[in-house]
Amino acid sequence: AQKITQTQPGMFVQEKEAVTLDCTYDTSDQSYGLFWYKQPSSGEMIFLIYQGSYDEQNATEGRYSLNFQKARKSANLVISASQLGDSAMYFCARPPAGNNRKLIWGLGTSLAVNP
Amino acid sequence: NAGVTQTPKFQVLKTGQSMTLQCAQDMNHNSMYWYRQDPGMGLRLIYYSASEGTTDKGEVPNGYNVSRLNKREFSLRLESAAPSQTSVYFCASSELGYGYTFGSGTRLTVV
Repeated sequence: AQKITQTQPGMFVQEKEAVTLDCTYDTSDQSYGLFWYKQPSSGEMIFLIYQGSYDEQNATEGRYSLNFQKARKSANLVISASQLGDSAMYFCARPPAGNNRKLIWGLGTSLAVNP
Repeated sequence: NAGVTQTPKFQVLKTGQSMTLQCAQDMNHNSMYWYRQDPGMGLRLIYYSASEGTTDKGEVPNGYNVSRLNKREFSLRLESAAPSQTSVYFCASSELGYGYTFGSGTRLTVV
């Protein structure tokens, strides 16, 4: 079965440092995409970044970047210069094979940024 | 502001009561979804609607029904609430599976 694995239930990082959140996935597809979402304590789900498997360069959105390694089937989120407001749950997700409308979700990583 | 609007934000039900969660989006998206989020379980898809007039079951559809009223609105109904349906519910919409936008969530408690 298609699966997304986030192996870090909880992470700590010092303010202003960079942090990498891991995400690995199962797939036999040639074409697919990976999403990352942020969920702060207020509960809303915020779209952060997306990368398609055929994109040649890793996606970047402000302080967020994707370290996409297809051979390892990993799509790690890198947050540079962490801020206190980055403390949240982070979810990795991807569409399953043959259906680009239904996301498969990881269980999330809780990130705490320490001052 | 453009986005997905869910109502209500909070609800407490007694076992056996019914209720409908409302969801509306103003982004002209074709696809809409209902998820539930439980601790340690991540997000699980209850139902989705790929386009107006169609609905399909997700991972955990038992105990729920949905209606895609029009392109904008997708409602979720609990006919006879059970404590196991205590959860946070999210509505979402997307176009061609890219860039899902979520509502702010409904925290439902069934006692």
